[in-house]
Parts: sequence; structure tokens; C-alpha cells
Amino acid sequence: QSALTQPRSVSGSPGQSVTVSCTGTSSDVGAYNFVSWYQQHPDKAPKLMIYDVTKRPSGVPVRFSGSKSGNTASLTISGLQAEDEANYYCCSFADSSTLVFGGGTKLTVL
Amino acid sequence: EVQLVESGGDLVQPGGSLRLSCAASGFTFSTYWMTWVRQAPGKGLEWVANINQDGSEKYYMDSVKGRFTISRDNAKNSLYLQMNSLRAEDTSVYYCARSGVSIAATVWDWGQGTLVTVSS
Repeated sequence: QSALTQPRSVSGSPGQSVTVSCTGTSSDVGAYNFVSWYQQHPDKAPKLMIYDVTKRPSGVPVRFSGSKSGNTASLTISGLQAEDEANYYCCSFADSSTLVFGGGTKLTVL
Repeated sequence: EVQLVESGGDLVQPGGSLRLSCAASGFTFSTYWMTWVRQAPGKGLEWVANINQDGSEKYYMDSVKGRFTISRDNAKNSLYLQMNSLRAEDTSVYYCARSGVSIAATVWDWGQGTLVTVSS
């Protein structure tokens, strides 16, 4: 149950695109198409942004997209907006019906 | 609208026990897997445990196995986490969360969390 690996921080200017990576193993990210991404603003509960690697829940802007290759998943945010500044966490379903989260990535909008 | 309201967080001494509760509304509670996730102060999210619809399947993170017990009461639309032998490293905000129907692979909705502090 080791945490997935994410960069500690990423940044971009308004209107630009940024990508957050999430690296796991063949027992989690690589084994299942059940990767999800969560946005968390300071002192708030997390919010689901992407599920099943590429799907967006109702109400999440199309600027948010997900992908996966091998043991690495990615979240891309296009057309950055000030309100996107937050912490982002990836999560993968894993063996024995467990979940594993990434360490989190702080997104700064310059 | 899905609502998840946690309660029971408190300051407790190392070795002590605490029971967290989560009152669910706005959805058919008995048809969903439910999950507890925690977050230590200034740290990231950490999955703790999940439970299937009728309570026959329960899964835990390694560090809480044998100390924590997840349970549910579908008649009361409530989820619980019994925490025993608490350690300083269990200090966290504990979130109650709604997962999927067929599999607990996604955390769809979150409560606002309840703070558990383990300290002497």
C-alpha cells in the first residue's frame, strides 16, 4: 500500500495547460482502469474531478481531462483559470479491493 | 443532494478509543459501498477502509488492521468507524465518503470531515 508518486508542485499562467503525473505499479494504476482525480481547496473537502481514468462527472468543466499509459496516469487542465489553484490527488483501485492515493500536487496559477 | 455528516471526533490519549459516525442522506444508502479516508494536518489523503452494501466485505489499510473496525447500519443510514489502540500517527481529519455500487473504486461524495487528535 505505497502511495502513488506525484510531483509536489506544478504551475502555469492563466490560459495555459498543465499536466500532473501519477505513477504507480502493476498492482494498482497499471492493473485497473480505475484511476480518479480529486481537487481540494484549502480547508475544504476533496471534490471528484475525473473517474475511470478519463471520465468527467457532471458539472466538471471539459478543461479537465485524464489519461493513462502503463503504470502512469495523468491529469491535464487546459485553459487554466485562477480558481483551478488547489491541491490535486490521484487515486487508484488496487489489489484486495483497496484504494491508494498519491501524495498530492499543489497547482499554482501564476 | 447527497449529504454526509461526520461526528465523534475528539482529543484522545494514546491507547484510547473513539467511535466516529456518519449520517447519510440524499441517496439510497444501502445500495452503495462506503469509505473512510483520512488526512493528517498539512498532509495528503489516505484511504482507511471500505465496506460493501450489506457489511459482508470490509477492507483496511495495513496500519489500522486489527485496531479499526468499519461498520454500517442501513436502517439508520449510518456509517461507523470504531478506532481502538489509537496512536499519535492516527491524528487526522476523517472523511466519510460514498463510493460506487458495484465496486469501491471511486469516491463520489465526501463529508466535511471530523478531527481526531491523539495526544497526551
